[in-house]
Amino acid sequence: EPEVTQTPSHQVTQMGQEVILRCVPISNHLYFYWYRQILGQKVEFLVSFYNNEISEKSEIFDDQFSVERPDGSNFTLKIRSTKLEDSAMYFCASNTGGVAGELFFGEGSRLTVL
Amino acid sequence: AQRVTQPEKLLSVFKGAPVELKCNYSYSGSPELFWYVQYSRQRLQLLLRHISRESIKGFTADLNKGETSFHLKKPFAQEEDSAMYYCALSGPGLESNFGNEKLTFGTGTRLTIIP
Repeated sequence: EPEVTQTPSHQVTQMGQEVILRCVPISNHLYFYWYRQILGQKVEFLVSFYNNEISEKSEIFDDQFSVERPDGSNFTLKIRSTKLEDSAMYFCASNTGGVAGELFFGEGSRLTVL
Repeated sequence: AQRVTQPEKLLSVFKGAPVELKCNYSYSGSPELFWYVQYSRQRLQLLLRHISRESIKGFTADLNKGETSFHLKKPFAQEEDSAMYYCALSGPGLESNFGNEKLTFGTGTRLTIIP
Protein backbone atom coordinates (compact mmCIF):
# COMPACT_ATOMS: atom_id res chain seq x y z
CA GLU A 1 0.00 0.00 0.00
CA PRO A 2 1.46 3.40 -0.92
CA GLU A 3 2.54 5.63 1.95
CA VAL A 4 3.71 9.15 2.54
CA THR A 5 7.42 9.10 3.37
CA GLN A 6 9.36 11.74 5.24
CA THR A 7 13.05 12.43 5.75
CA PRO A 8 14.85 12.89 8.00
CA SER A 9 13.13 11.13 10.86
CA HIS A 10 15.04 13.29 13.32
CA GLN A 11 17.10 16.43 12.82
CA VAL A 12 19.02 18.42 15.40
CA THR A 13 20.05 21.93 14.47
CA GLN A 14 21.41 25.09 16.02
CA MET A 15 19.20 28.11 16.43
CA GLY A 16 19.40 30.36 13.38
CA GLN A 17 20.24 27.56 10.95
CA GLU A 18 18.15 26.69 7.93
CA VAL A 19 16.36 23.36 7.87
CA ILE A 20 14.68 21.53 5.01
CA LEU A 21 12.26 18.73 5.74
CA ARG A 22 11.38 16.44 2.87
CA CYS A 23 8.28 14.50 2.01
CA VAL A 24 7.24 12.22 -0.81
CA PRO A 25 3.43 12.25 -1.00
CA ILE A 26 1.41 9.39 -2.44
CA SER A 27 1.83 9.57 -6.19
CA ASN A 28 -1.75 10.17 -7.36
CA HIS A 29 -2.58 12.65 -4.60
CA LEU A 30 -3.23 16.26 -5.48
CA TYR A 31 -3.21 18.09 -2.14
CA PHE A 32 -0.23 18.30 0.16
CA TYR A 33 0.02 19.54 3.72
CA TRP A 34 2.36 20.24 6.56
CA TYR A 35 1.19 19.96 10.14
CA ARG A 36 3.26 20.19 13.28
CA GLN A 37 2.97 19.01 16.85
CA ILE A 38 4.94 20.62 19.63
CA LEU A 39 5.56 18.10 22.40
CA GLY A 40 2.44 17.69 24.54
CA GLN A 41 0.37 19.97 22.37
CA LYS A 42 -2.09 19.69 19.50
CA VAL A 43 -1.38 18.73 15.93
CA GLU A 44 -1.60 22.10 14.16
CA PHE A 45 -2.19 22.95 10.51
CA LEU A 46 0.65 24.89 8.89
CA VAL A 47 0.00 24.98 5.16
CA SER A 48 -1.76 23.30 2.26
CA PHE A 49 -0.49 23.15 -1.29
CA TYR A 50 -2.32 22.43 -4.52
CA ASN A 51 -1.50 22.87 -8.18
CA ASN A 52 2.00 24.10 -7.34
CA GLU A 53 0.96 26.90 -5.07
CA ILE A 54 -0.06 27.48 -1.49
CA SER A 55 -3.80 27.02 -1.02
CA GLU A 56 -4.00 28.12 2.56
CA LYS A 57 -1.67 28.83 5.45
CA SER A 58 -2.05 29.37 9.16
CA GLU A 59 -0.78 32.29 11.20
CA ILE A 60 2.07 30.05 12.33
CA PHE A 61 3.33 29.87 8.75
CA ASP A 62 5.18 33.19 8.68
CA ASP A 63 7.95 34.44 6.41
CA GLN A 64 10.41 32.04 8.00
CA PHE A 65 8.58 29.12 6.42
CA SER A 66 8.31 28.15 2.78
CA VAL A 67 7.16 25.11 0.84
CA GLU A 68 8.13 23.83 -2.53
CA ARG A 69 7.50 20.95 -4.87
CA PRO A 70 10.78 21.08 -6.73
CA ASP A 71 10.60 18.02 -8.94
CA GLY A 72 7.07 16.64 -9.12
CA SER A 73 7.58 14.07 -6.40
CA ASN A 74 9.17 15.75 -3.37
CA PHE A 75 7.35 18.27 -1.22
CA THR A 76 9.62 20.27 1.07
CA LEU A 77 9.21 22.51 4.07
CA LYS A 78 11.99 25.02 4.64
CA ILE A 79 12.51 26.91 7.85
CA ARG A 80 14.85 29.76 7.04
CA SER A 81 16.24 30.66 10.46
CA THR A 82 15.17 28.23 13.15
CA LYS A 83 14.08 29.32 16.60
CA LEU A 84 13.90 27.27 19.77
CA GLU A 85 10.10 27.26 19.52
CA ASP A 86 10.27 25.54 16.12
CA SER A 87 11.20 22.32 17.92
CA ALA A 88 8.35 19.96 17.09
CA MET A 89 7.28 16.92 15.13
CA TYR A 90 6.47 17.95 11.58
CA PHE A 91 3.97 15.83 9.69
CA CYS A 92 3.52 15.79 5.96
CA ALA A 93 0.17 14.62 4.60
CA SER A 94 -1.50 14.24 1.24
CA ASN A 95 -4.88 13.37 -0.20
CA THR A 96 -6.82 13.19 -3.43
CA GLY A 97 -9.38 15.74 -2.28
CA GLY A 98 -12.15 13.25 -2.95
CA VAL A 99 -12.91 12.01 0.57
CA ALA A 100 -13.71 14.65 3.16
CA GLY A 101 -11.32 14.64 6.09
CA GLU A 102 -9.16 11.79 4.94
CA LEU A 103 -5.53 12.76 5.10
CA PHE A 104 -2.70 10.29 4.68
CA PHE A 105 0.09 11.19 7.07
CA GLY A 106 3.76 10.46 7.04
CA GLU A 107 5.54 9.22 10.15
CA GLY A 108 6.84 12.66 10.93
CA SER A 109 10.18 14.44 11.17
CA ARG A 110 11.26 15.42 14.66
CA LEU A 111 13.08 18.74 14.66
CA THR A 112 15.11 19.73 17.70
CA VAL A 113 16.49 23.26 17.78
CA LEU A 114 19.28 23.88 20.29
CA ALA B 1 -12.67 30.42 15.90
CA GLN B 2 -13.12 26.67 15.86
CA ARG B 3 -11.84 24.57 18.72
CA VAL B 4 -11.77 20.88 19.61
CA THR B 5 -11.54 19.81 23.22
CA GLN B 6 -10.67 16.35 24.47
CA PRO B 7 -10.92 16.60 28.26
CA GLU B 8 -9.12 13.33 29.06
CA LYS B 9 -5.41 13.06 28.34
CA LEU B 10 -5.29 9.49 29.62
CA LEU B 11 -7.97 6.82 29.83
CA SER B 12 -7.53 3.26 31.09
CA VAL B 13 -10.23 0.67 30.57
CA PHE B 14 -10.35 -3.05 31.27
CA LYS B 15 -10.60 -5.42 28.33
CA GLY B 16 -14.23 -6.17 27.58
CA ALA B 17 -15.49 -3.00 29.26
CA PRO B 18 -17.16 -0.16 27.32
CA VAL B 19 -15.05 2.72 26.08
CA GLU B 20 -16.06 6.33 25.62
CA LEU B 21 -13.60 8.97 24.47
CA LYS B 22 -15.00 12.45 24.83
CA CYS B 23 -14.78 15.21 22.25
CA ASN B 24 -16.44 18.60 22.31
CA TYR B 25 -16.16 21.25 19.66
CA SER B 26 -16.97 24.86 18.98
CA TYR B 27 -17.70 25.90 15.45
CA SER B 28 -20.03 28.48 14.00
CA GLY B 29 -21.06 26.60 10.87
CA SER B 30 -22.00 23.02 10.05
CA PRO B 31 -19.13 20.93 11.36
CA GLU B 32 -17.48 17.96 9.77
CA LEU B 33 -15.91 15.83 12.47
CA PHE B 34 -13.48 12.96 12.44
CA TRP B 35 -11.59 10.62 14.70
CA TYR B 36 -7.96 9.87 13.93
CA VAL B 37 -5.94 7.17 15.67
CA GLN B 38 -2.23 6.61 16.13
CA TYR B 39 -1.18 3.13 17.22
CA SER B 40 2.21 2.61 18.78
CA ARG B 41 5.01 3.24 16.25
CA GLN B 42 2.51 3.85 13.46
CA ARG B 43 1.38 6.93 11.63
CA LEU B 44 -1.70 8.99 12.28
CA GLN B 45 -4.65 7.56 10.34
CA LEU B 46 -8.31 8.28 9.88
CA LEU B 47 -10.57 6.06 12.00
CA LEU B 48 -14.00 7.35 11.14
CA ARG B 49 -16.03 10.31 9.85
CA HIS B 50 -19.35 11.47 11.22
CA ILE B 51 -20.86 11.91 7.77
CA SER B 52 -20.33 8.22 6.99
CA ARG B 53 -22.21 7.03 10.07
CA GLU B 54 -20.02 3.97 9.95
CA SER B 55 -18.66 1.58 12.53
CA ILE B 56 -14.96 0.95 12.21
CA LYS B 57 -13.23 -1.69 14.36
CA GLY B 58 -16.36 -1.66 16.53
CA PHE B 59 -16.12 2.11 17.17
CA THR B 60 -18.95 4.52 16.50
CA ALA B 61 -19.32 8.25 17.03
CA ASP B 62 -22.48 10.30 16.91
CA LEU B 63 -22.52 14.01 16.27
CA ASN B 64 -24.68 15.77 18.85
CA LYS B 65 -25.13 19.34 17.70
CA GLY B 66 -27.10 20.31 20.80
CA GLU B 67 -24.25 19.30 23.08
CA THR B 68 -21.56 20.11 20.45
CA SER B 69 -20.07 16.69 21.06
CA PHE B 70 -18.68 13.85 19.00
CA HIS B 71 -17.82 11.15 21.51
CA LEU B 72 -16.18 7.93 20.34
CA LYS B 73 -17.64 4.73 21.73
CA LYS B 74 -17.04 1.03 21.69
CA PRO B 75 -19.12 -1.46 23.69
CA PHE B 76 -16.33 -3.96 24.42
CA ALA B 77 -12.72 -2.82 24.51
CA GLN B 78 -9.98 -5.00 23.03
CA GLU B 79 -6.27 -4.88 23.80
CA GLU B 80 -5.47 -3.77 20.25
CA ASP B 81 -7.51 -0.62 20.82
CA SER B 82 -4.70 0.82 22.93
CA ALA B 83 -3.57 3.94 21.03
CA MET B 84 -3.66 7.71 20.89
CA TYR B 85 -7.01 9.04 19.66
CA TYR B 86 -7.50 12.50 18.19
CA CYS B 87 -10.77 14.20 17.46
CA ALA B 88 -10.60 16.62 14.52
CA LEU B 89 -12.81 19.20 12.87
CA SER B 90 -12.63 20.24 9.24
CA GLY B 91 -12.77 23.87 8.18
CA PRO B 92 -13.36 26.59 7.75
CA GLY B 93 -11.42 26.37 4.57
CA LEU B 94 -11.57 28.80 1.71
CA GLU B 95 -14.60 28.01 -0.42
CA SER B 96 -12.49 28.03 -3.51
CA ASN B 97 -10.35 25.24 -2.12
CA PHE B 98 -12.61 22.25 -2.50
CA GLY B 99 -10.77 19.17 -1.27
CA ASN B 100 -8.41 21.22 0.86
CA GLU B 101 -8.41 19.72 4.34
CA LYS B 102 -7.50 22.14 7.07
CA LEU B 103 -8.10 20.05 10.17
CA THR B 104 -8.27 21.37 13.72
CA PHE B 105 -7.21 18.66 16.14
CA GLY B 106 -7.83 18.14 19.81
CA THR B 107 -4.94 17.39 22.15
CA GLY B 108 -5.66 13.67 22.03
CA THR B 109 -6.52 10.95 24.52
CA ARG B 110 -4.19 8.06 25.21
CA LEU B 111 -6.33 4.97 25.63
CA THR B 112 -4.84 2.00 27.44
CA ILE B 113 -6.70 -1.28 27.57
CA ILE B 114 -5.85 -3.31 30.66
CA PRO B 115 -5.80 -7.07 30.00
